[in-house]
Amino acid sequence: EAQVTQNPRYLITVTGKKLTVTCSQNMNHEYMSWYRQDPGLGLRQIYYSMNVEVTDKGDVPEGYKVSRKEKRNFPLILESPSPNQTSLYFCASRTPAGGNEQFFGPGTRLTVL
Amino acid sequence: QKEVEQNSGPLSVPEGAIASLNCTYSDRGSQSFFWYRQYSGKSPELIMSIYSNGDKEDGRFTAQLNKASQYVSLLIRDSQPSDSATYLCALGSSASKIIFGSGTRLSIRP
Repeated sequence: EAQVTQNPRYLITVTGKKLTVTCSQNMNHEYMSWYRQDPGLGLRQIYYSMNVEVTDKGDVPEGYKVSRKEKRNFPLILESPSPNQTSLYFCASRTPAGGNEQFFGPGTRLTVL
Repeated sequence: QKEVEQNSGPLSVPEGAIASLNCTYSDRGSQSFFWYRQYSGKSPELIMSIYSNGDKEDGRFTAQLNKASQYVSLLIRDSQPSDSATYLCALGSSASKIIFGSGTRLSIRP
């Protein structure tokens, strides 16, 4: 089954404790993105990657890091989480062909105390 | 001005009626437009994409695009309670970027 997976689905942590949210897709997509979703603000892109070893900042990259060492994986790293990073996070992937349909992972709800 | 603007709602429509959702955008260079449905706590799901002016129909859904006026709309015919969700308008502004509106909450009342 074609899918994007994220782990963990739920995470409660404390300020300053480094964490990684994993994202993996099995569709051989070149493009992968991370979004955060907050009430009233919609989906905002954090980082995106156009292919292996190619990453770039989205609209709200501060406080986040990413890496793309393999095509299927695109982890999101919070080196020193803060309470304003409490949010719902989505990983997504797509290919330029096929009309740019974007597939989303199930989401990770992060709470930083 | 936001790049993609939607009325946040909630939009309340009786069951069986037509729900009309609207979206305006600022980037005249946008070439691809999408409507996603998102149930509470779930991930967005693509329901329609449209690339040229006019109407595109898929089952009970019709997307309408007017590039000159910079708006895109989604009509849902014969609305069902299962259509109650938040609908996100999105556009592709470049090869690597898809920009989302903040969504319209739709509620179908029995």
